[in-house]
Amino acid sequence: QVQLVQSGAEVKKPGASVKISCKASGYSFTSYYIHWVRQAPGQGLEWMGIINTSGGSASFAQNFQGRVTVTRDTSTSTVWMELSSLRSEDTAVYYCSRDYIPLGGRYSDSWGQGTLVTVSS
Amino acid sequence: DIQMTQSPSSLSASVGDRVTITCRASQSISTYLNWYQQKPGKAPKFLIYAASSLQSGVPSNFSGSGSGTDFTLTISSLQPEDFATYYCQQSYNTPYTFGQGTKLEIK
Repeated sequence: QVQLVQSGAEVKKPGASVKISCKASGYSFTSYYIHWVRQAPGQGLEWMGIINTSGGSASFAQNFQGRVTVTRDTSTSTVWMELSSLRSEDTAVYYCSRDYIPLGGRYSDSWGQGTLVTVSS
Repeated sequence: DIQMTQSPSSLSASVGDRVTITCRASQSISTYLNWYQQKPGKAPKFLIYAASSLQSGVPSNFSGSGSGTDFTLTISSLQPEDFATYYCQQSYNTPYTFGQGTKLEIK
C-alpha cells in the first residue's frame, strides 16, 4: 500500500537549517508529485510547496521562497525538504503528501506521519 | 494568492445532527475544491475532491457541493467518529491554500 514515512523530530536554534526526509513506498515514485504542508501548534494547515519527483522542478508559496529547498532521489524514492534561517514561527509539524490528479481535480491522497520541528534558543 | 475562508470556525453538535460547513474562495476556482478531516495528533485525511466527489471509503453521510466561490461540506447524520477539524483547500492554482479550519465538537 502507499506509504510516506518521514524522518524524526528535530530541535533547532534560530538561524539554523533543518532537513526533513519523506520516503515513499508502494507505488511508482516518479509518477506522482509530492506536496509539503506545515501546521504550527494549534493552528491550521499551510501549503508550502510541491516537487515534480520525475523532473525535480519545484514550486513554493511566496512565504517560503528563498528559504526552502526541496530535492529528491529517485533511486531511494525519497524527497527532502530543507528550510533555512529558522525562526520561532517555524515551529510546526511538517507533512509530506502524495499528489493525485484525477479528472477535474487535484488533491493529497496519502500523507506522511508528520515531523515536528521545534525552533528554540 | 487565493484566500479560502471557512465558517464557522467552530461548531458544537450532537450525534445524529446534520451539519454544514461553508468555504468561500476569494476568486472563482471552478470546482477545484477539496475537503480534509483531521483528528488531534494525526495527519489530515482526504474526504472530497472536485467539490463533490467522495473519496472511496468515505461514508455516504458526507457530501460536498458548490462551484465558483462558494462551497459546502455537509454531514447528514453525525457519528461519534466525525468529531474533528475540517479543512477546505483550493487546487485551482498554486499556492494551494487551505481554509483556516472548522472544529466540530460534541455538544
